[in-house]
Amino acid sequence: AQSVTQPDIHITVSEGASLELRCNYSYGATPYLFWYVQSPGQGLQLLLKYFSGDTLVQGIKGFEAEFKRSQSSFNLRKPSVHWSDAAEYFCAVGGGGSYIPTFGRGTSLIVHP
Amino acid sequence: DAGVIQSPRHEVTEMGQEVTLRCKPISGHNSLFWYRQTMMRGLELLIYFNNNVPIDDSGMPEDRFSAKMPNASFSTLKIQPSEPRDSAVYFCASSSTGTGQGPDTQYFGPGTRLTVL
Repeated sequence: AQSVTQPDIHITVSEGASLELRCNYSYGATPYLFWYVQSPGQGLQLLLKYFSGDTLVQGIKGFEAEFKRSQSSFNLRKPSVHWSDAAEYFCAVGGGGSYIPTFGRGTSLIVHP
Repeated sequence: DAGVIQSPRHEVTEMGQEVTLRCKPISGHNSLFWYRQTMMRGLELLIYFNNNVPIDDSGMPEDRFSAKMPNASFSTLKIQPSEPRDSAVYFCASSSTGTGQGPDTQYFGPGTRLTVL
């Protein structure tokens, strides 16, 4: 069975600092990987996704993520965080003929001015 | 496109009442998902439809919950009777099932915040 672990429930960074949100997955084959962002009072929105090809994926809002098969990780990064990035971030995994993704519990990002 | 549309955005009801949540997916999408989000349990998949057919309803909590998708442009989630523990934000999401071996991007609606008193 596929599973996703987001080890950090909360992360606090200062505006302008770099950011890395961790995501580890458990899956037997090549995974389909996603990062979504949820702003307060809104639904989830796709930041980026990885199916195959280049393991460094660029997304919207200046985010990127790197697929590392050897570490079963798909960490999300941003070089300089803006106050508007404060939100909940979800990692998700799927594949193997199933169209149902498994979501992690989410990481809440707090940005200090 | 207007995106996924959900109604109502907020619903306050009393225990024992029937609640119906509505969803209009993005035109052309053939997969629809209903999720429930709470602080305690996070984001839970309730039911997944493909081409209007329920494929996986293992996440539906109990017989009080039912979902229908009578056509490609409309789905409902009904709770009867409602209980205080059903209070949550309910999301509908739609996607296209492509030729790949895994899920594609899900497009989420704004959610319905349900409060059962």
